[in-house]
Amino acid sequence: SQQGEEDPQALSIQEGENATMNCSYKTSINNLQWYRQNSGRGLVHLILIRSNEREKHSGRLRVTLDTSKKSSSLLITASRAADTASYFCATDVWGGSEKLVFGKGTKLTVNP
Amino acid sequence: ETGVTQTPRHLVMGMTNKKSLKCEQHLGHNAMYWYKQSAKKPLELMFVYNFKEQTENNSVPSRFSPECPNSSHLFLHLHTLQPEDSALYLCASSQVAGEDTQYFGPGTRLTVL
Repeated sequence: SQQGEEDPQALSIQEGENATMNCSYKTSINNLQWYRQNSGRGLVHLILIRSNEREKHSGRLRVTLDTSKKSSSLLITASRAADTASYFCATDVWGGSEKLVFGKGTKLTVNP
Repeated sequence: ETGVTQTPRHLVMGMTNKKSLKCEQHLGHNAMYWYKQSAKKPLELMFVYNFKEQTENNSVPSRFSPECPNSSHLFLHLHTLQPEDSALYLCASSQVAGEDTQYFGPGTRLTVL
């Protein structure tokens, strides 16, 4: 079973609207990260939130973390067509091995 | 694009061929990773190297053979692959293995005929 699972699998919005993606995970974590991937390219790190943080901002990105619910959300405000990409959450495993576990991702389409 | 480069970007090979994928990072990191990304599947971690030592082999078939001669270079040697091995192969690096932010290369699109 997946450590991190994003929801929804696909999201289509109009330019200017906000996009919200969610991630749920199963085990305790040290941190949770969000990455973005343009079609057929490598992943790009967006933001990292630690287990003792509840909210973090970076430009138009806002990430929340609820460790009691084992969930995180990524909000992109005032979306642009260039935000069209797949978004992945990644979690380490507290006390676990030296790796991140990625979810299947949310495919976001922002229509101009 | 990033400090991690991968060559080649595209590779088509037959099932009896032997080829190698190359990854180089210019970030001074000590950990490097190989991932496989197939359509409609989560990103699959294949191998982790930390300070040139392999610390993770995620039950990868022996037809994939990694090599890490130094902290900046990582290879994936391929031989007698199957069509189901066709995928995007991504290399990444981080300061050390574990929870650190990972920096990805652009990937090699591999097609096995």
